[in-house]
Amino acid sequence: AQRVTQPEKLLSVFKGAPVELKCNYSYSGSPELFWYVQYSRQRLQLLLRHISRESIKGFTADLNKGETSFHLKKPFAQEEDSAMYYCALNRAGGTSYGKLTFGQGTILTVHP
Amino acid sequence: EAGVAQSPRYKIIEKRQSVAFWCNPISGHATLYWYQQILGQGPKLLIQFQNNGVVDDSQLPKDRFSAERLKGVDSTLKIQPAKLEDSAVYLCASSSHRGGANEKLFFGSGTQLSVL
Repeated sequence: AQRVTQPEKLLSVFKGAPVELKCNYSYSGSPELFWYVQYSRQRLQLLLRHISRESIKGFTADLNKGETSFHLKKPFAQEEDSAMYYCALNRAGGTSYGKLTFGQGTILTVHP
Repeated sequence: EAGVAQSPRYKIIEKRQSVAFWCNPISGHATLYWYQQILGQGPKLLIQFQNNGVVDDSQLPKDRFSAERLKGVDSTLKIQPAKLEDSAVYLCASSSHRGGANEKLFFGSGTQLSVL
């Protein structure tokens, strides 16, 4: 069975401070990990995907298979980063791209 | 491009009543998903369609939930009869299913259901 755990429901930081949103997963096979974000009054949207190894809006995430983690990081938080962040998992190489298992989400608030 | 369309935006019903939600995916997207998001939780997959066929409905409570995508385009999700615990946001999502690094899942705005 697949499981995604986001241990922090709420995370508050000040503008310019580093931020790290934690995500741990359990999955016996080879996983594909994602971060999705939902800004206020907007739709849930993809932020980044580990297989792409890209940085979006200054965020990065590294898949650590040894620690089964996929933490989201940004060195300098901005007020516009305030949102709900979800970590999600799918079976790598699967044909069902959207069959995601989501974590419970972390609400990030960046104070001015 | 136009996004995934869902209606209604909000629905309030009493328990044991029936309700239906509608979704129109992005044009050309072969794969359509329905997710249920209960307050305080992440979205949970209910059913996946590939064109007009069901690929996975293992997490759909089939005693009360049903879904169809008859022409392989828009889809409806029905609950009959509704229970209090069905109160949630119902999200529809679609993807092109072409695979590769550029594959993306697009979500609709959701239908917020309150069962009283």
